[in-house]
Amino acid sequence: AQSVTQLGSHVSVSEGALVLLRCNYSSSVPPYLFWYVQYPNQGLQLLLKYTTGATLVKGINGFEAEFKKSETSFHLTKPSAHMSDAAEFFCAVSPSGTASKLTFGTGTRLQVTL
Amino acid sequence: EPEVTQTPSHQVTQMGQEVILRCVPISNHLYFYWYRQILGQKVEFLVSFYNNEISEKSEIFDDQFSVERPDGSNFTLKIRSTKLEDSAMYFCASSVTGLNTEAFFGQGTRLTVV
Repeated sequence: AQSVTQLGSHVSVSEGALVLLRCNYSSSVPPYLFWYVQYPNQGLQLLLKYTTGATLVKGINGFEAEFKKSETSFHLTKPSAHMSDAAEFFCAVSPSGTASKLTFGTGTRLQVTL
Repeated sequence: EPEVTQTPSHQVTQMGQEVILRCVPISNHLYFYWYRQILGQKVEFLVSFYNNEISEKSEIFDDQFSVERPDGSNFTLKIRSTKLEDSAMYFCASSVTGLNTEAFFGQGTRLTVV
């Protein structure tokens, strides 16, 4: 069984500030972890994923996430927020990297203010 | 850039009516998926489809649901007799293979059952 918890349904940051979106997972097997982003009126877009190997994963648009097994976490960060980062972000886990049976979190809506 | 397209973007239907949600996956992809998100809840896996048959389905995907690829390009989700609780955003996705691969999502169809 697997599950994902995203802390904070809404996060607001100032432009230029650090973005930190939290994700904790539960998985009975070594997890494959994903962050998806949904911009207004668009589909879910893959930001980054962790499968094996390096625990710090870099994605598109300056986002990165670090897999911490001891903390069962996969938090998403970006050093400096931009207005265009405003979107909904979803953390997801898969038992084997398969594109099916993705288990998603409830999502975090990121607001970026001037 | 290739993308998954879904039509319509929003559909309103009366309880008990049949609805068909349509998706055009990316042309060289072989695996297809439907997910749904009830308002305020998590994105949930419904079904995966490969080689003209269902490869996996969740508990949600009961007898009122069916999928097919009628013409080699479209991928449809049919809900036979809609219930109020079927109101949700339905996402179609596709991937090249079923393992260690990115799933590309469409922008979703918002189904409202009244």
